[in-house]
Amino acid sequence: GQNIDQPTEMTATEGAIVQINCTYQTSGFNGLFWYQQHAGEAPTFLSYNVLDGLEEKGRFSSFLSRSKGYSYLLLKELQMKDSASYLCASMDSNYQLIWGAGTKLIIKP
Amino acid sequence: TAGITQAPTSQILAAGRSMTLRCTQDMRHNAMYWYRQDLGLGLRLIHYSNTAGTTGKGEVPDGYSVSRANTDDFPLTLASAVPSQTSVYFCASSQTIGQGAHEQFFGPGTRLTVL
Repeated sequence: GQNIDQPTEMTATEGAIVQINCTYQTSGFNGLFWYQQHAGEAPTFLSYNVLDGLEEKGRFSSFLSRSKGYSYLLLKELQMKDSASYLCASMDSNYQLIWGAGTKLIIKP
Repeated sequence: TAGITQAPTSQILAAGRSMTLRCTQDMRHNAMYWYRQDLGLGLRLIHYSNTAGTTGKGEVPDGYSVSRANTDDFPLTLASAVPSQTSVYFCASSQTIGQGAHEQFFGPGTRLTVL
């Protein structure tokens, strides 16, 4: 079956670094997406990885290992506004997104 | 540019009643999607449309129907609502479907409660 696993909740301190892990198992693979979702709002796109390695975009970076079925999202210099849920999604062989339940990130001052 | 709009923002519906959730995009995207989001679960795909005139079933299509008469609109209909359809419904669109980083853009959501 298809499965996406990510931690339910994480807590970090303002100014610190946090890594949110995601493991995936899907029928076929056409890339790994990360989205941010603030409470009561719609998900917004953060990153896309299809090749192994690290993609850096400002304070956010995303890593992919296809052989391990593993990705992580790295957030640096955390700000209070980064408090949100982070959704991992794998694109399967039909180009449909299979979504994890999301990781709620709590930032403390 | 509005992007994707959804209506209504929220709705309380009696069980057994029918309802249509509206979704309109102005980005000329070919592909559109309907998801439901429930606490503790990932977004689940209800129906999708790769291009105007075509639709397909997602992971949880039972009890829902869609149509795609034109590029911009993708309404979702609940023929006879049941309490298990209480959820937040998101409409999304992407430029196309297929190879490439075609991220999906989401509407603001419709919060539906079926009593």
